[in-house]
Amino acid sequence: GAGVSQSPRYKVAKRGQDVALRCDPISGHVSLFWYQQALGQGPEFLTYFQNEAQLDKSGLPSDRFFAERPEGSVSTLKIQRTQQEDSAVYLCASSLRGFKRSGRAEGELFFGEGSRLTVL
Amino acid sequence: GQQLNQSPQSMFIQEGEDVSMNCTSSSIFNTWLWYKQEPGEGPVLLIALYKAGELTSNGRLTAQFGITRKDSFLNISASIPSDVGIYFCAGLILTGKLIFGQGTTLQVKP
Repeated sequence: GAGVSQSPRYKVAKRGQDVALRCDPISGHVSLFWYQQALGQGPEFLTYFQNEAQLDKSGLPSDRFFAERPEGSVSTLKIQRTQQEDSAVYLCASSLRGFKRSGRAEGELFFGEGSRLTVL
Repeated sequence: GQQLNQSPQSMFIQEGEDVSMNCTSSSIFNTWLWYKQEPGEGPVLLIALYKAGELTSNGRLTAQFGITRKDSFLNISASIPSDVGIYFCAGLILTGKLIFGQGTTLQVKP
């Protein structure tokens, strides 16, 4: 498809279970981001990949959260031993360009529809 | 850390009215973005602002990047029912990370 695709759209997990959320970015997009959106809040940054390199994982809330993008396209966000506070919508976004630490920050981020995780 | 304060938190207006919402920050951003999010969907980019003082329009939407680079506003003219949704401002930092505001929920009464 033409847009960012995420799966599953909905996931219900029992506390303590591991979950894996998948993101298919727009073909050819260099940058990939994961965001977490709690109910009634704006999205919050989790992690950023430029191609297969994870350049920023400062937003991951704990070591139970792990993300990978081994071939520089599809990405998986894994949450181990889920807790109730992990319940949120997990949004993936991609951008055509990479972002450098110097220079002007430009570029559109295209978001997927999100994966809604509910931990019981 | 960096935070964006967005106001108002919610608006309930009559169809045809103009809408204004704004966003302020304690930090400087070099790029401001405005997104709209509808239920069950991801945020969709409405307008991107790259220069301080820049005023940009997209149809009935107009946004400005404040001179101080610490604020931005979004105006919607002649609102219609399909404008309903949550509007987020976001500041983009050099590493590509977006810092989002808390959102403004817009409801339009036909």
